[in-house]
Amino acid sequence: QKEVEQNSGPLSVPEGAIASLNCTYSDRVSQSFFWYRQYSGKSPELIMSIYSNGDKEDGRFTAQLNKASQYVSLLIRDSQPSDSATYLCAVNVQGGGADGLTFGKGTHLIIQP
Amino acid sequence: KAGVTQTPRYLIKTRGQQVTLSCSPISGHRSVSWYQQTPGQGLQFLFEYFSETQRNKGNFPGRFSGRQFSNSRSEMNVSTLELGDSALYLCASSFGGGTTEAFFGQGTRLTVV
Repeated sequence: QKEVEQNSGPLSVPEGAIASLNCTYSDRVSQSFFWYRQYSGKSPELIMSIYSNGDKEDGRFTAQLNKASQYVSLLIRDSQPSDSATYLCAVNVQGGGADGLTFGKGTHLIIQP
Repeated sequence: KAGVTQTPRYLIKTRGQQVTLSCSPISGHRSVSWYQQTPGQGLQFLFEYFSETQRNKGNFPGRFSGRQFSNSRSEMNVSTLELGDSALYLCASSFGGGTTEAFFGQGTRLTVV
């Protein structure tokens, strides 16, 4: 079974610090990796996508991918209280050019003022 | 540019009834995926449609079905509703192709009583 694993948290980080969120996946053929942020009562919002090994930076967010270790992470620098949310790791395991994501159950992040 | 639109936002149905949910994707997107989100199971993939064809299906019973129209709008139907079908149903649209970013609508909150 193709799985995506995340630590459910809560992960508590002081304001201004770096929040580090981790995700592992089981399907070695996975090609596309995404991070979504979901506020309580809202739908998921795409914040990062990454397709190749290494780091990808976008503002305060950095996604890191290591396909050999089947590991993807998200770093949030200068954490703000507004970053408090559930962060969902998603992997496209469909193959054949089809879309459809497998999600982890999410990490609940709390930024403490 | 308009986002993904789902209707209705809220529904209350009785066990045994059927329900139809609608999703209008972002203009130009041809892929629509449907997901079920519950507190216990998280976000689970239902199915994906591209150019009016179902390309992938998750592990849900046949009571869950869908279709896509020529304008890429999609509907999903759940027949013979069960209490356990109470969930947030989300659709996501993308250009399609397996590696493209998917954007979610606001979801339809279905309550089965």
